[in-house]
Amino acid sequence: AQSVTQLGSHVSVSEGALVLLRCNYSSSVPPYLFWYVQYPNQGLQLLLKYTSAATLVKGINGFEAEFKKSETSFHLTKPSAHMSDAAEYFCAVSVGTGGFKTIFGAGTRLFVKA
Amino acid sequence: DTAVSQTPKYLVTQMGNDKSIKCEQNLGHDTMYWYKQDSKKFLKIMFSYNNKELIINETVPNRFSPKSPDKAHLNLHINSLELGDSAVYFCASSQGAGPSFGQGTRLTVV
Repeated sequence: AQSVTQLGSHVSVSEGALVLLRCNYSSSVPPYLFWYVQYPNQGLQLLLKYTSAATLVKGINGFEAEFKKSETSFHLTKPSAHMSDAAEYFCAVSVGTGGFKTIFGAGTRLFVKA
Repeated sequence: DTAVSQTPKYLVTQMGNDKSIKCEQNLGHDTMYWYKQDSKKFLKIMFSYNNKELIINETVPNRFSPKSPDKAHLNLHINSLELGDSAVYFCASSQGAGPSFGQGTRLTVV
């Protein structure tokens, strides 16, 4: 069965520092992988997605993620954190056919210190 | 112009009541979903519809009944509400992988 594990429920960085949010997946077939961001009291917004094309995926707001099959990882990075990046981040994997059941990780809360 | 909209945004109700949440998407997607997010932010899929047909039903109590009158709408009716139903319910839609989410309905059962 497919699953996704986010390492670290909370990550704290200083403004201007590198952001690294870790995600490992488990899938018996080539997966589709996603990162979503959720700001307080809002829905989830798609940051980026991997759909078996380029392994380095660029998303919105300066975020990018690299698909590494050998490590079964899809870590999210941003070179320089901004205060507005403080939010909950979810890694997700799509499984199955037809409707694409999307399974989410437990989320990582990103704190950005001034 | 909101892509996935759900109403109401907030819902406070007493145990035992029946309530509905409505969802509409204007993206032309074939697939719609209901997700439940608990107090720890954990997101779990409840139902998935493809072209008005139920394709995923994830061991959700029978008190929860989704209805899709057409491809653009997916409503969720909940009977005999319990305290444990308190959560944020998200509607989403997709055309292939990567759902687009609505803003959520915060349901509080008292």
